[in-house]
Amino acid sequence: TQLLEQSPQFLSIQEGENLTVYCNSSSVFSSLQWYRQEPGEGPVLLVTVVTGGEVKKLKRLTFQFGDARKDSSLHITAAQPGDTGLYLCAGMDSNYQLIWGAGTKLIIKP
Amino acid sequence: KAGVTQTPRYLIKTRGQQVTLSCSPISGHRSVSWYQQTPGQGLQFLFEYFSETQRNKGNFPGRFSGRQFSNSRSEMNVSTLELGDSALYLCASSAGTSGSSYNEQFFGPGTRLTVL
Repeated sequence: TQLLEQSPQFLSIQEGENLTVYCNSSSVFSSLQWYRQEPGEGPVLLVTVVTGGEVKKLKRLTFQFGDARKDSSLHITAAQPGDTGLYLCAGMDSNYQLIWGAGTKLIIKP
Repeated sequence: KAGVTQTPRYLIKTRGQQVTLSCSPISGHRSVSWYQQTPGQGLQFLFEYFSETQRNKGNFPGRFSGRQFSNSRSEMNVSTLELGDSALYLCASSAGTSGSSYNEQFFGPGTRLTVL
């Protein structure tokens, strides 16, 4: 069974701090997606990374795909209260199925 | 372009009843996936439909079923409801075609099902 382990499960920090969320697996993925979900809403796609070692930036969010395409990280610089939400990663396996991480619940306190 | 819509948004049922949830995907999307989300189990994949055929299926009992119509709209049915079926049911549409954007999911707001 393929697993995508996401850490930490929960993170509560002050506005202005930096943070990193990790997704790790022993399996290789052809691509990896990051989503953010706010209360009462469905997840919203933030980014897809495809190439090993790829780095994508979305304003204060930096996404990296591991060289071996088994892991990924999301780094947020100078976190804002609007960054609060559940962050989910999902890797696409060789059968074109998405393997989902359990999510990281992020709270940014003003 | 209109997003994914789900109806109803909230539903309360009692044990033993059945329920049907509806999902309208983004125009042009042929793939619809259904997920169950609970605080304890996270996002669990139920099944995916593509061009009216079930293409993938998760590990849920046969009480959970679905179908897709020719206009790509999809319904999910849960029979003989149990207390543990209380969850947020999310529908997601995707183009479902090849390439790096394959399976990028566009989610609806979900249906909150409460089983009493």
